[in-house]
Amino acid sequence: RKEVEQDPGPFNVPEGATVAFNCTYSNSASQSFFWYRQDCRKEPKLLMSVYSSGNEDGRFTAQLNRASQYISLLIRDSKLSDSATYLCVVNINAGNMLTFGGGTRLMVKP
Amino acid sequence: SQTIHQWPATLVQPVGSPLSLECTVEGTSNPNLYWYRQAAGRGLQLLFYSVGIGQISSEVPQNLSASRPQDRQFILSSKKLLLSDSGFYLCAWSGRRVGRSQGAKNIQYFGAGTRLSVL
Repeated sequence: RKEVEQDPGPFNVPEGATVAFNCTYSNSASQSFFWYRQDCRKEPKLLMSVYSSGNEDGRFTAQLNRASQYISLLIRDSKLSDSATYLCVVNINAGNMLTFGGGTRLMVKP
Repeated sequence: SQTIHQWPATLVQPVGSPLSLECTVEGTSNPNLYWYRQAAGRGLQLLFYSVGIGQISSEVPQNLSASRPQDRQFILSSKKLLLSDSGFYLCAWSGRRVGRSQGAKNIQYFGAGTRLSVL
C-alpha cells in the first residue's frame, strides 16, 4: 500500500461546480497534513494546511479524518483557474520529511 | 521574506556528461534543504535532504550526489548522466522543527525547478 494515495483523475467539471478530492494515508502516527497545488510544468505551491478541526479558506475547505486516515479537499464554485494538479502531502514520521501523493488532476471547463 | 532560487530552468545534456544544479535560499538561516525529482506525469520522489552544512541524507540509491557547502546552498551533481535521469528537479526548503507541535515548520517551499533532458 502506498504511504499517501490519491485518485489521479482527471476530474472534469464545469465552471461553478463543487468538486471534492480524497486522499488516504497509511501511517496513523502522521502529524501534519497539507494540500499543495501544482500547475502544469511548474513547482508545487502550498494551497493550505489541514487542521484536525477542519479549516476553510475562501472556496476551499479541507478536512481530516484521523480514524479513517484520510483527508479531503472541497472546492466550491470552481473557476477555470482552479485547473491544476492537487497534491496531498503528509508528514509521515513526525520528523521533517513530507510524503507527497501522486496528485489529482482537476480540469474546470467553461 | 524568504526566497529560493534554482537554476538553470531547463537543461539538455548528453548521456555520460556531468551535471551540477544549484539551489540557494535567502531570508532564513539553518533551513532544511531537499532535492526532489518528478518524472513526467508522476509524483515527487525525494532524492536528498540536508539538515545542516555537510550533512546529506540520501533517500534513493542512484548515480546522483548532493552537497551543502554553505548554510543556504544545496547542489545536486552527477559525474555521468543516464537517460533515466531525465525529469523535473525541484529544490525545497523548510524551517527548523522545534518541539512536537510545529506543523508549520514542516511546510516545504519549492524553487521553480530545473527541467533536465538527457539525450
